[in-house]
Amino acid sequence: IAGITQAPTSQILAAGRRMTLRCTQDMRHNAMYWYRQDLGLGLRLIHYSNTAGTTGKGEVPDGYSVSRANTDDFPLTLASAVPSQTSVYFCASRLLAGVNTGELFFGEGSRLTVL
Amino acid sequence: DAKTTQPPSMDCAEGRAANLPCNHSTISGNEYVYWYRQIHSQGPQYIIHGLKNNETNEMASLIITEDRKSSTLILPHATLRDTAVYYCIVRVYSGGGADGLTFGKGTHLIIQP
Repeated sequence: IAGITQAPTSQILAAGRRMTLRCTQDMRHNAMYWYRQDLGLGLRLIHYSNTAGTTGKGEVPDGYSVSRANTDDFPLTLASAVPSQTSVYFCASRLLAGVNTGELFFGEGSRLTVL
Repeated sequence: DAKTTQPPSMDCAEGRAANLPCNHSTISGNEYVYWYRQIHSQGPQYIIHGLKNNETNEMASLIITEDRKSSTLILPHATLRDTAVYYCIVRVYSGGGADGLTFGKGTHLIIQP
């Protein structure tokens, strides 16, 4: 693994089903983020995590939950998917200590379609 | 975070310098200017950032006006692979900040052959 890996890369899901998008990074970054990207709306922050064991809400957290059991993994769960959650989801991470450029590293995205 | 304003789209000829403007008239003294770009279907990629001095790296140059109310990203010799959406973001540089970056709609730069 190099950088950030997201899985699955794409998924079609029936409304009402539960879905977890996985995100793993091997850069030992302490902060991780989930964004969604919709046409005409740009990137919007869903949830974030400063460090393992802590999480926070972003701009559009409703319908989503996250956990941060360790440094490397930051899964995003849709407990009961709805069609409005059809989107491309990006995971990102950055280092918040030492020489910090504030640079965010992004995964390649997970395209989710809820029918 | 300060709000930014960017043109929705721009064209540039291949081999020429691409100059992407960004207005951030409400920027405060401790807010940095960041630039990212997103090539179609990929995750955004960091380009450069600065506070008040002009900055240059292997990808681009960042020119910030003296009053810091606007900036310009310069791609010195644009190639077709530079076609992408470019995001200008301003935020406080904080080692403890954990609220991510707020991405607007950016500028869709199209490099013409």
